[in-house]
Amino acid sequence: KQEVTQIPAALSVPEGENLVLNCSFTDSAIYNLQWFRQDPGKGLTSLLLIQSSQREQTSGRLNASLDKSSGRSTLYIAASQPGDSATYLCAVRDGGATNKLIFGTGTLLAVQP
Amino acid sequence: EAGVAQSPRYKIIEKRQSVAFWCNPISGHATLYWYQQILGQGPKLLIQFQNNGVVDDSQLPKDRFSAERLKGVDSTLKIQPAKLEDSAVYLCASRLAGDEQFFGPGTRLTVL
Repeated sequence: KQEVTQIPAALSVPEGENLVLNCSFTDSAIYNLQWFRQDPGKGLTSLLLIQSSQREQTSGRLNASLDKSSGRSTLYIAASQPGDSATYLCAVRDGGATNKLIFGTGTLLAVQP
Repeated sequence: EAGVAQSPRYKIIEKRQSVAFWCNPISGHATLYWYQQILGQGPKLLIQFQNNGVVDDSQLPKDRFSAERLKGVDSTLKIQPAKLEDSAVYLCASRLAGDEQFFGPGTRLTVL
């Protein structure tokens, strides 16, 4: 059974710092991995999607890497801003046909001005 | 393009009462998902529809939860009777093709 873990559970950094969020999964037979952002009282916004054959994806100040064999992904945020404060969730799509997403528990990020 | 719509946004009920949530997916999206997100946890899939057929409901507590998508568009999720542990945010998502799921704002349920 696939399990997804995110470390740390919470993180507080001063504005301008670069930071790394970690995600690990137990079964390497994944189809892809996604990073989401969740703001209080709102739904999930997809940030980056990495296919199982890819090593990384970049969007603006965000860079996500994937090491499928070791069951790990990282989300790197450069030059953090207070507007980056949110909960960040990673999710793996299992190898089956249902496009089922299995989510981690999230990292609550606070960027202090 | 309008996003996934959900209502109500908030609901407070007493335990043993019943409640229903509504989701309107993005126009043309054949696949629809309901997730349950308990505070401090990631979302967990409850049920997946492809048009009006159920693809996966393995994690739906069928003794109290039910869901339908009769015309392959809107969907309703019902809980009857509610328990304290059902307090959570219920998220609806839809997908057209490919990998990306688009999420609605969710319904926050509090069971007292």
